[in-house]
Amino acid sequence: NAGVTQTPKFQVLKTGQSMTLQCAQDMNHNSMYWYRQDPGMGLRLIYYSASEGTTDKGEVPNGYNVSRLNKREFSLRLESAAPSQTSVYFCASSGLTGVGNTIYFGEGSWLTVV
Amino acid sequence: AQTVTQSQPEMSVQEAETVTLSCTYDTSESNYYLFWYKQPPSRQMILVIRQEAYKQQNATENRFSVNFQKAAKSFSLKISDSQLGDTAMYFCAFMIPYGQNFVFGPGTRLSVLP
Repeated sequence: NAGVTQTPKFQVLKTGQSMTLQCAQDMNHNSMYWYRQDPGMGLRLIYYSASEGTTDKGEVPNGYNVSRLNKREFSLRLESAAPSQTSVYFCASSGLTGVGNTIYFGEGSWLTVV
Repeated sequence: AQTVTQSQPEMSVQEAETVTLSCTYDTSESNYYLFWYKQPPSRQMILVIRQEAYKQQNATENRFSVNFQKAAKSFSLKISDSQLGDTAMYFCAFMIPYGQNFVFGPGTRLSVLP
């Protein structure tokens, strides 16, 4: 049971480069999220998608774009990476399943921008 | 807007003893969900326990239990018989049904000492 899968797990970018973080869930969840976690800090919401075809900004959306490709997949794009975007990125999903509104996380993607 | 506060940035406990982590939240909603997540050094986010606000009974999961005080907007986590594997960051989280947006506290770093 894969749950939430995100790729890549590690990435080093040069300032100004672009990249896309991919995320897929196999739990038939409606909602998907992208969070970032900076060293020693909690999670901050970048974007979320309450359902297929909709996306909304979270707390820290600047410098990012997202695409809800279908119900399973939710990607995060950095168009022009900056050192301030060095962080660990978590994709997550939730839905009205039998266990209610629990949020499930991927294993994280370590991104370093030099 | 909902907020979650964890007033203890760091705590330590001796192995086999009991420790309580504090969490308070602010909301005008009457129905919501509360969660505790554990993040070990691997950075994986692991659900520890969840509580529905409409349930008066405190949730328990093996050595983990909560003290949910709705009027006081307090949701503390008690870990009994602490084990070395409990060493982790612990995040309190809040979620409104159908709002599909989780709000996380800043976390408490727990160290279990041998």
